[in-house]
Amino acid sequence: GDSVTQMEGPVTLSEEAFLTINCTYTATGYPSLFWYVQYPGEGLQLLLKATKADDKGSNKGFEATYRKETTSFHLEKGSVQVSDSAVYFCALSEWTAGNKLTFGGGTRVLVKP
Amino acid sequence: NAGVTQTPKFRVLKTGQSMTLLCAQDMNHEYMYWYRQDPGMGLRLIHYSVGEGTTAKGEVPDGYNVSRLKKQNFLLGLESAAPSQTSVYFCASSPRGQNQPQHFGDGTRLSIL
Repeated sequence: GDSVTQMEGPVTLSEEAFLTINCTYTATGYPSLFWYVQYPGEGLQLLLKATKADDKGSNKGFEATYRKETTSFHLEKGSVQVSDSAVYFCALSEWTAGNKLTFGGGTRVLVKP
Repeated sequence: NAGVTQTPKFRVLKTGQSMTLLCAQDMNHEYMYWYRQDPGMGLRLIHYSVGEGTTAKGEVPDGYNVSRLKKQNFLLGLESAAPSQTSVYFCASSPRGQNQPQHFGDGTRLSIL
């Protein structure tokens, strides 16, 4: 079955540092890939997505490129802020009834001033 | 602009008690989902619905039942609560169609003693 593996946290960074969160996936078909973010006490919000190979999703300074050859979708941001402290989830969806998502375990990121 | 609303936000139950979690969305979405979130395991799909009157099992359905009598509401029931069901529960909804993002509620924190 489908699965998503992402680096375990927590990841602790200083403000303005470069952030990378690794995500790899296993899928039987040709999935769409997503990054969701969860701020403390809130539900998940879509951060970005990519639907085909070599697509780059971007939002709020975050980027991720769909790499089919390495089955990866790593999240990057060039200069993090304290407000980026959150839990980040990588997820995939295959085209089946209901658009079900398969999530990775989540990576907690803490940005210190 | 309410989006997805979950009721209640917190609840403590004793083993063997029953309860129902309510999810309501005001975006006219076709699809709705119930997830549980446990530390280090990401979100796991319990049940989902692709339309009013229809439900289907997800990855971890045992011990839970659901109903979708109205398009805007999706209820999650625990008939006989067990300590293993202590978790944070999230409801989500999405429009019909491939690659549509899911919109999440703020979660219900449930403790079973």
